[in-house]
Amino acid sequence: EPEVTQTPSHQVTQMGQEVILRCVPISNHLYFYWYRQILGQKVEFLVSFYNNEISEKSEIFDDQFSVERPDGSNFTLKIRSTKLEDSAMYFCASSEAQFEARSGANVLTFGAGSRLTVL
Amino acid sequence: LAKTTQPISMDSYEGQEVNITCSHNNIATNDYITWYQQFPSQGPRFIIQGYKTKVTNEVASLFIPADRKSSTLSLPRVSLSDTAVYYCLVGASGGSYIPTFGRGTSLIVHP
Repeated sequence: EPEVTQTPSHQVTQMGQEVILRCVPISNHLYFYWYRQILGQKVEFLVSFYNNEISEKSEIFDDQFSVERPDGSNFTLKIRSTKLEDSAMYFCASSEAQFEARSGANVLTFGAGSRLTVL
Repeated sequence: LAKTTQPISMDSYEGQEVNITCSHNNIATNDYITWYQQFPSQGPRFIIQGYKTKVTNEVASLFIPADRKSSTLSLPRVSLSDTAVYYCLVGASGGSYIPTFGRGTSLIVHP
């Protein structure tokens, strides 16, 4: 079964440092997402990406965050200057299609997550 | 975006059938209903999706009444490994659709 892979599985960083989280979405998927989950809280949407540009972003996704698809397979989330409150699990996801409400098209496949700890 | 309401938690025992109901009163005509499962420290995993009536796969069944204002996820004969959080999501029709997760239902299966 195709899967979304994320690296690293766990990263510890100092406050103010830059962090890049990497994801390899499923190869025939067209839409890519980043979500985060602070310990004990909801899974929160950060950003969606399609056709090499951001299609939607939440209020959480401020100027400290950026996403990129540097090549045909990787999808990255960069946090420029980490804060303590950025500590969370970050999940990458991909889907075949976003705008079509046909069965299965808007189903997300998530990666196992990257746990970010900011000290 | 259709808002969903689910019980915060449920308890069950191994071998029992578990039914988790989700209310989505303002579901739109083109919206699908999707359920995900999440284990601790893992990403959500797709379980089942439906539009109306009943859908069944190897993992679960999804019952959707004619008015589509609610749906029920049915897990037959649960085991300890079904202990997880279950999320009900309803898709927005047209425009952009961002799967939005609520608090979900925390199911604990006891031996």
